[in-house]
Amino acid sequence: QMQLQESGPGLVKSSETLSLICTVSGGSISRGSHYWGWVRQPPGKGLEWIGAITYSGSTFYNPSLKSRVSISVDTSNNQFSLKMISVTATDTSVYYCARLDYSNYFGYWGQGALVTVSS
Amino acid sequence: EIVMTQSPATLSVSPGEGVTLSCRASQNIKDNLSWYHQGPGQAPRLLIHDASTRDTGIPARFSGSGSGTEFTLTIIGLQSEDFGVYYCQQYENWPLTFGQGTRLELK
Repeated sequence: QMQLQESGPGLVKSSETLSLICTVSGGSISRGSHYWGWVRQPPGKGLEWIGAITYSGSTFYNPSLKSRVSISVDTSNNQFSLKMISVTATDTSVYYCARLDYSNYFGYWGQGALVTVSS
Repeated sequence: EIVMTQSPATLSVSPGEGVTLSCRASQNIKDNLSWYHQGPGQAPRLLIHDASTRDTGIPARFSGSGSGTEFTLTIIGLQSEDFGVYYCQQYENWPLTFGQGTRLELK
């Protein structure tokens, strides 16, 4: 059974960089043509897609975040990562990593990681 | 960007009842639509993809329909674990976009 697990600091200072890693188990990140993505959810609000990457490094980003976000993949460790620069309080959210299946719906999700941006 | 609009925002229902949730796309997305359920403190879970295909292990009381711009998720015989928030998501075009959610609460 495929599992995804987010890890990283739960507290980031305003104007600094948010960094999260998603570790995939139960399957190889290099198998198939899936995208691997990030979604966030501010407290009490809805879901926002951040971006996605294939194992070969092809990426798509949400235009609203593209200038501050980068996603990378580490196939040797079966992981992919999110970096978001110049964070503010509005970036406080639960960040989910997920596998996109076939047509790009989210088939598998991590449990989520709360990241709080402090001033 | 394709805007997804869900209605209603909140539904108050009793266990055992049935409900229909709506999702509208701002342009034609064919059948490139999925539905998710999010329980309190949990990650979203895929229920339906390709507008009407139940994901593995999803009970038959969940059904999806629609194509183009109008979609519905129907749940019959609501059980306690079905309460929470439901989201639709389109994958016709990048960026991937979600509806704002419909909250199903206990009456």
